Amino acid sequence: NAGVTQTPKFQVLKTGQSMTLQCAQDMNHEYMSWYRQDPGMGLRLIHYSVGAGITDQGEVPNGYNVSRSTTEDFPLRLLSAAPSQTSVYFCASSFSQTMNTEAFFGQGTRLTVV
Amino acid sequence: KQEVTQIPAALSVPEGENLVLNCSFTDSAIYNLQWFRQDPGKGLTSLLLIQSSQREQTSGRLNASLDKSSGRSTLYIAASQPGDSATYLCAVLYNFNKFYFGSGTKLNVKP
Repeated sequence: NAGVTQTPKFQVLKTGQSMTLQCAQDMNHEYMSWYRQDPGMGLRLIHYSVGAGITDQGEVPNGYNVSRSTTEDFPLRLLSAAPSQTSVYFCASSFSQTMNTEAFFGQGTRLTVV
Repeated sequence: KQEVTQIPAALSVPEGENLVLNCSFTDSAIYNLQWFRQDPGKGLTSLLLIQSSQREQTSGRLNASLDKSSGRSTLYIAASQPGDSATYLCAVLYNFNKFYFGSGTKLNVKP
């Protein structure tokens, strides 16, 4: 069981470049979300999806785009990278919230923007 | 705005001690609360999930309690071991699968 898989694990970008962080889960989870983790600030929600074709903004969405064309995949796109986007990014998934099941997290993508 | 606070930010104890990590949240309309463990450079590993209707959950040497009315949860670790050294994160789930995380408690258990 792969769980939640994030790629790449590490990435260095130049300011202004764009890239896509990949997230895939094989548990048939409806809910998927992206968080960023910065020192001393905990994890903050960027975008989330309650099912294929449905996405919404979280706490810190500026500079990021998402789409959910399949249940399995939830990519996060950085449109024009900025140094403020240097962070560790985590993808998470879970079943329908009404089942009150736990969330599973990927291993993270460490992004540095120079 | 929902806020989650974890105290202390760091904790260093000798092996064998029992310890308590604290988590408080401002909005009591939670769906559930989850405790995670994070090792340096790694992802989050789920330790315990407490549903909003529950008071506590236990797994091995770990016990988590929840008091919704006062906006508090505690994670109790019995007979701590050096392998327990990690950062412990508290996450509160509100509607639409929105987790709000505390900043974590960094635990060091000395041999």
